[in-house]
Amino acid sequence: EVQLVESGGGLVQPGRSLRLSCAASGFTFDEFAMHWVRQAPGKGLEWVSGISWNGFITGYADSVKGRFTISRDNAKNSLYLQMNSLRAEDTALYYCSKGKYDFWSGYDHWGQGTLVTVSS
Amino acid sequence: QSVLTQPPSVSAAPGQKVTISCSGSNSNIGNNYVAWYQQLPGTAPKLLIFDNNKRPSGIPDRFSGSKSGTSATLGITGLQTGDEADYYCGTWDSSLTAVVFGGGTKLTVL
Repeated sequence: EVQLVESGGGLVQPGRSLRLSCAASGFTFDEFAMHWVRQAPGKGLEWVSGISWNGFITGYADSVKGRFTISRDNAKNSLYLQMNSLRAEDTALYYCSKGKYDFWSGYDHWGQGTLVTVSS
Repeated sequence: QSVLTQPPSVSAAPGQKVTISCSGSNSNIGNNYVAWYQQLPGTAPKLLIFDNNKRPSGIPDRFSGSKSGTSATLGITGLQTGDEADYYCGTWDSSLTAVVFGGGTKLTVL
């Protein structure tokens, strides 16, 4: 059974940093692209960032470019999101999601999310 | 303002059929595969349709997807109260080099 378990969320002040992690199991992690998608309270889905199976290709939404860094450790079956210079508008539930078969082919599994709240 | 445009809400009676539209442009829907997701209240999204019209294993054939030009459509037949959820379309945008989603459509089964 595929499992994606996010961690690392919490309350953080504007301008500070946070690192999210996603522990994957139940599939061959190093064969699939992985992404972060967020959802602000009461709002829709917003893509944050994605990374190819080997880490060579990464992509970022304009809203986080230059502040967030996605990475993965295939030996540990883990995905990360380093978030710097956090803003109030980054407040959201952050989901880790698994690519179906390509960098973009839809997400066939999602974690339950980790909540990030940016507030003073 | 989402790159992909969906109606905010749709409704229909149990047993009936409903369609949800997703409108985009040549840089996204027109030249890339579309996926559809169902998000039940308080839960993570679930993949319903990928590659425009394919269903993952376990998704009933009541759910269907289609694409024509720069628009895509999700169809749901035999509506059940358990289908009440938010539905999102998503695809790759080659100009933005980003994944884009629609704003979501809330389905009410009356």
